[in-house]
Amino acid sequence: AAGVIQSPRHLIKEKRETATLKCYPIPRHDTVYWYQQGPGQDPQFLISFYEKMQSDKGSIPDRFSAQQFSDYHSELNMSSLELGDSALYFCASSFTSGRANEQFFGPGTRLTVL
Amino acid sequence: DAKTTQPPSMDCAEGRAANLPCNHSTISGNEYVYWYRQIHSQGPQYIIHGLKNNETNEMASLIITEDRKSSTLILPHATLRDTAVYYCIVRARVDSNYQLIWGAGTKLIIKP
Repeated sequence: AAGVIQSPRHLIKEKRETATLKCYPIPRHDTVYWYQQGPGQDPQFLISFYEKMQSDKGSIPDRFSAQQFSDYHSELNMSSLELGDSALYFCASSFTSGRANEQFFGPGTRLTVL
Repeated sequence: DAKTTQPPSMDCAEGRAANLPCNHSTISGNEYVYWYRQIHSQGPQYIIHGLKNNETNEMASLIITEDRKSSTLILPHATLRDTAVYYCIVRARVDSNYQLIWGAGTKLIIKP
């Protein structure tokens, strides 16, 4: 079965640079979620989109922005990168009419900021 | 802030039932309890969720106390591949948003 696809899988950036992470949800899933997981930390919810509109917002820094496009893929844009942004970034998708909030996670993008 | 507390780690013998406890004493009446697991930095995997009644699926069973202040995830016949961090999560309303509030999880080690 198709899973959530994230690209790139690994990304190395320098401080103050920008980064764009992409997420392709499972076909027919209408909701996308972004999470950040620092080293040894639990996942922190950043933001979610339902039918291309922002639905819920968590601890997303103002330097980050995200959107969901007409084909339901989503991008997380990160600017003025800081060392503390080094983390695993997970995208998850769900189908709202499915089991309540069962989120399917992608393999993650490992971002390293030098 | 996490709405759940779990033991940081547990061991279980292969083939035995693994019982993972979770306290969520501040849970509200309409908040679901979810369980996910994460195997070594892979994307978390959904296991099961419940509101009031006990639930069972192909992976596990979820036992929720009558007062809903705690729950137990049961893996009936643990295998080595069940070694992972297990997260007990409440989907809560934070400000005007709903989100999964993740705690620190329990690192479950299955021993041969």
